[in-house]
Amino acid sequence: KAGVTQTPRYLIKTRGQQVTLSCSPISGHRSVSWYQQTPGQGLQFLFEYFSETQRNKGNFPGRFSGRQFSNSRSEMNVSTLELGDSALYLCASSFPPGATSGGAGEQFFGPGTRLTVL
Amino acid sequence: AQSVAQPEDQVNVAEGNPLTVKCTYSVSGNPYLFWYVQYPNRGLQFLLKYITGDNLVKGSYGFEAEFNKSQTSFHLKKPSALVSDSALYFCAVRDNRDDKIIFGKGTRLHILP
Repeated sequence: KAGVTQTPRYLIKTRGQQVTLSCSPISGHRSVSWYQQTPGQGLQFLFEYFSETQRNKGNFPGRFSGRQFSNSRSEMNVSTLELGDSALYLCASSFPPGATSGGAGEQFFGPGTRLTVL
Repeated sequence: AQSVAQPEDQVNVAEGNPLTVKCTYSVSGNPYLFWYVQYPNRGLQFLLKYITGDNLVKGSYGFEAEFNKSQTSFHLKKPSALVSDSALYFCAVRDNRDDKIIFGKGTRLHILP
């Protein structure tokens, strides 16, 4: 079974630009979450989508947005990039808790997209 | 509010010795608890989970974790450390009331040859 894939793997942008990151979940997983990982702040939750609806949202400004398509693939967009947006952006997919026997909604992560803002 | 604490930024253990990576949590409902490992330039890999039942859960790569409800802890353990266990370890909790998942800040584990 293929894992979570994220594209692109590396991205370099300049301040003020916008960026779109893509995530394809494990086949059958309908929940997709996004995280920002930085050395100083650790792993910060951005948002979670399930069946094309945003189910949970972290404490990020409105410049960060996302969506999920009917095939469960997800994209996140960051507009008006700032230097502080440089980070590893991780996508994770899962079944909802209880959807499978013994399932707790454990997440399976992609390799991430390394975004550098200059 | 739910939270996860990993009190140690870094843990150093000699190869062959037992290791423990600590995690404590705070949730309103009954928790689902997880451990993940991250190797350099990689995403997080799921190690193990606790839902209910036996307080000692076994996971990948010989790791296990002990759930202690009274101390609200979920420490990760391994009887004999390998150099290849050196990585960043994250504890996470999902509050089964609202399904939100929170990660700790991570603990860097160094296994010394």
